Amino acid sequence: SSELTQDPAVSVALGQTVRITCQGDSLRSYYASWYQQKPGQAPVVVIYGKNNRPSGIPDRFSGSSSGNTASLTITGAQAEDEADYYCYSRDSSGNHLKVFGTGTKVTVL
Amino acid sequence: QVQLVQSGADVRKPGASVKVFCKASGYTFIDYYMHWVRQAPGQGLEWMGWMNPNGGRTKYAQKFQGRVTMTRDMSINTARMELSSLTSDDTAMYYCTIDVYGGDSFDHWGQGALVTVSS
Repeated sequence: SSELTQDPAVSVALGQTVRITCQGDSLRSYYASWYQQKPGQAPVVVIYGKNNRPSGIPDRFSGSSSGNTASLTITGAQAEDEADYYCYSRDSSGNHLKVFGTGTKVTVL
Repeated sequence: QVQLVQSGADVRKPGASVKVFCKASGYTFIDYYMHWVRQAPGQGLEWMGWMNPNGGRTKYAQKFQGRVTMTRDMSINTARMELSSLTSDDTAMYYCTIDVYGGDSFDHWGQGALVTVSS
């Protein structure tokens, strides 16, 4: 079973703010990165490290972390943000193993 | 520019093995660990393991221990993932991916290779 837990689905009105959370013991020690995946496409990293955006990722995407929970916030959601989102981090064993979260489907209304 | 180009779709029978290839270009092959991630139809992302091209050391997810082998061919800058004893549960898109930015994340991905296991 996955060690990083996400809500299966969330919805947000166009232009509003949505926060997606990821819970797991390893997040007390390691940062999560976040991936956006649209149907038929490979995932794209949107946030990595403490709160870093790769080139080309809009600044409406931001990341944060507290305790065992990492969060991805989309401020002013756009229609093109509708996608599946996955968190990713090391697993809690510390043996250089990695794990993805269970994924969250974001619907923009 | 960094590119990861994977081999094409494959169909295998239950009990067989499959090899998926990932040809790297645009960077020094030994500089970044190669990871493999799979995604079954309608399901989430699943990390399978990594291979260090500089020496060949590997680390596999417990779920795939004993069934997966990740290797590389330095002469052609290509990583290979072999999965054996296939079942229908192994039907999935298989991706190779690397962390170039150094943020413990995956910033470059192959296009994916669909493996279908069917009798």
